[in-house]
Amino acid sequence: NAGVTQTPKFQVLKTGQSMTLQCAQDMNHEYMSWYRQDPGMGLRLIHYSVGAGITDQGEVPNGYNVSRSTTEDFPLRLLSAAPSQTSVYFCASSRLAQPRHEQFFGPGTRLTVL
Amino acid sequence: GQQVMQIPQYQHVQEGEDFTTYCNSSTTLSNIQWYKQRPGGHPVFLIQLVKSGEVKKQKRLTFQFGEAKKNSSLHITATQTTDVGTYFCAGYSGGGADGLTFGKGTHLIIQP
Repeated sequence: NAGVTQTPKFQVLKTGQSMTLQCAQDMNHEYMSWYRQDPGMGLRLIHYSVGAGITDQGEVPNGYNVSRSTTEDFPLRLLSAAPSQTSVYFCASSRLAQPRHEQFFGPGTRLTVL
Repeated sequence: GQQVMQIPQYQHVQEGEDFTTYCNSSTTLSNIQWYKQRPGGHPVFLIQLVKSGEVKKQKRLTFQFGEAKKNSSLHITATQTTDVGTYFCAGYSGGGADGLTFGKGTHLIIQP
């Protein structure tokens, strides 16, 4: 199993550009989520999904969209990038529909918005 | 909403010294999870505590869950350079799919 994979590893955008961060898992996990990690702020939940076709907002959803058309994939879209979105983004998954147990994290995408 | 406070933010120790990080939740937790993130890496699950007063050990690491299920600690005995990284607690409130809240982490820096 590859676990949780994320692409790209690094990305530089200009203000106003849009892009999609990819996330996939091959463990048949129901729950998937996106976090951003900023210095001194820990991990903050952006969006999450409890299964295919079901998504919801986390703590910091503004400026981001998600969809979950399959169990495996959970892409994160930045609609119009802003410098405040410079961060490290982690995708995570867990077996059940709630984050009650171990979260498996992807390697992260380091995003810089100029 | 639920808040999970973690202290200290940074801890410098000499190799061989002990290290402890503490988590406090504003609400009673269903369980607490601990993660380690190496520099430049991603968080990796260490352990989960569920029962009131629970104590679990992994080699030199000891994890405790408070009697009231609102606080937890991670203690490392005789630190080694491989222990360097950031340790996060994550409290699960049981309230739903957004019920997992991470602390801000404790950065462990070890001086040889």
